[in-house]
Amino acid sequence: DQQVKQNSPSLSVQEGRISILNCDYTNSMFDYFLWYKKYPAEGPTFLISISSIKDKNEDGRFTVFLNKSAKHLSLHIVPSQPGDSAVYFCAASKQNYGGSQGNLIFGKGTKLSVKP
Amino acid sequence: NAGVMQNPRHLVRRRGQEARLRCSPMKGHSHVYWYRQLPEEGLKFMVYLQKENIIDESGMPKERFSAEFPKEGPSILRIQQVVRGDSAAYFCASSPSGIGGYTFGSGTRLTVV
Repeated sequence: DQQVKQNSPSLSVQEGRISILNCDYTNSMFDYFLWYKKYPAEGPTFLISISSIKDKNEDGRFTVFLNKSAKHLSLHIVPSQPGDSAVYFCAASKQNYGGSQGNLIFGKGTKLSVKP
Repeated sequence: NAGVMQNPRHLVRRRGQEARLRCSPMKGHSHVYWYRQLPEEGLKFMVYLQKENIIDESGMPKERFSAEFPKEGPSILRIQQVVRGDSAAYFCASSPSGIGGYTFGSGTRLTVV
């Protein structure tokens, strides 16, 4: 039973336009959400995170939106660049271990292709 | 400041052999996590360790798999009597406090033939 779902396996966007990657979760106990980017043959790289007490977090070209009532979050990349082409993973966790995230539950990823 | 170092990058084992995967966390990081990624899947949590302690091993298969993070030296993920289904990418991550995003290593790709 997948607790974190990324329903779009792939997304293609023109350079300069907005990329919107979506993620849904089922466990209402999740209170911390992260996005990772992964290139082939490399480990995931942390991009941006959001706590459940917020509904938006912005870092440069990357913005994450959280809709708790819908159990949905999205990552916006504006403007998209060819170097953004990678697989993007959504991840969620519960505050365990006295405040630490402990383990993360990952979605299956969305492959973003940004065309020049 | 080196990142999370995993070795080997690629490991080929015959069925029934043992696989040892090593992970050196970033300097100053005392929290280590192991994840496994099967083809076309997301990363699946295996185990969370701090120095000399296993904090959470809820994602570890009950048999053949073990992990340690000794006081000195790297964290080791050990798989005994490997089977073809163990073929996957194994990623290690570390963090200084267990809070915030992890830093992942580049992974070890295990192939069982």
